[in-house]
This record gives sequence, C-alpha cells and structure tokens, in this order.
Amino acid sequence: GAGVSQSPRYKVAKRGQDVALRCDPISGHVSLFWYQQALGQGPEFLTYFQNEAQLDKSGLPSDRFFAERPEGSVSTLKIQRTQQEDSAVYLCASTPGRVSNQPQHFGDGTRLSIL
Amino acid sequence: KNEVEQSPQNLTAQEGEFITINCSYSVGISALHWLQQHPGGGIVSLFMLSSGKKKHGRLIATINIQEKHSSLHITASHPRDSAVYICAVSNYGQNFVFGPGTRLSVLP
Repeated sequence: GAGVSQSPRYKVAKRGQDVALRCDPISGHVSLFWYQQALGQGPEFLTYFQNEAQLDKSGLPSDRFFAERPEGSVSTLKIQRTQQEDSAVYLCASTPGRVSNQPQHFGDGTRLSIL
Repeated sequence: KNEVEQSPQNLTAQEGEFITINCSYSVGISALHWLQQHPGGGIVSLFMLSSGKKKHGRLIATINIQEKHSSLHITASHPRDSAVYICAVSNYGQNFVFGPGTRLSVLP
C-alpha cells in the first residue's frame, strides 16, 4: 500500500545502546510528525518537519533524541545512550499540507523496548 | 490539568449497545480529531471536526465549541469496534495534542 511505513516494527536494545527508527511518509506529503506513546497513554508530540526543515522539536525529551529528514521524505529518529524510560511506541504521521489542521496519516509505529 | 481529557477511561459494552465517549479540552483549537487505535499500534483517523456533527456509518461525532466538548457515538456496537479511541486537538500550524484515550471492549 501507499500508507506511512515505519521500521522496524519492534526493536529491543540494551540500556546504553543507540537506536535508529525509520519513517517513510506517504509520497509527496510535506509535513511529518513524530510522537511517543507510553503504555496505556495517548501519544505525545516529539518533533515536526515541513519538508526537510525541522520546525518544532520542543517535544524531544532530552538531547539524546535527534531527528532528521535530510531530503524532505524519509525521516529517522535516533536515540542515543538509550534508557529504560525510552521504552514506548514511536509513531510517525504525515499530512499533505504545511499545517497540522488536517487528518494525519499514521504509521503502525515502532515498539521500542530497552532492557 | 491535562489540555485534553476523555471519559470514560475504560468502557465495556455488550454487542448492540449504544456507546458514547466524551472529550473535553481547555485550549483554543481549529479542529478536533477522533482517532481509533487497534492493538498493535496502528492509528486511523475517524473524524475531523470544527463545528456541528459528522456521521460515517455507525459512528457519529459532535462538537460544541462554546463548551469545548466533543462526543463520539457508536450505534449498534460490534466486537470489531473494540479499540482505543483517542481525541486530539489541533491549532493552525501546530501539532496535535492528544487525550489519554478510551479503551472500549465490546463483548459478543
């Protein structure tokens, strides 16, 4: 299908390791969002891209979290020196336009478990 | 106080029952979204509302801007409706703010 694709679906890492999570948005979608969803809670905003520009990274919990979208399509969320509290589902969403007042198209998420 | 709240947190219903999930918010918005999340994480957008009421199949969503409140109704509920229903609000140029979700279980 032509939906938002995230990989890997599941990732297990030891505390202290670095991880990289990938998001392939719908082709041509301008806006891309990353969210973190802890178990039993609603998603929380991490960061937002408009094309290759990271316009808002206010939700990134620490400087261990880094996101990029160098060519304005695929995005990678990197977490360095992972800690147990980083365990969550990481969701990616995209929209065709430049503002978020549109339905967002979500990927299935990456479930990250830090041991 | 969270910016977006939902009630109930958990809901169990018998197949065929009429279901209501409520959402209240405390911030200015340009749109409110109802989302469905099945086990495994995938999220599907059900409705985007800025006023009034929308209907899609057995689902109805309403919003009262003055009262900052929205409801999602499911008529003739079915076990396949079992999921987490999430209310989210957006403002022009800003990201979604999500509610905590309502976990619905519809029993056969």
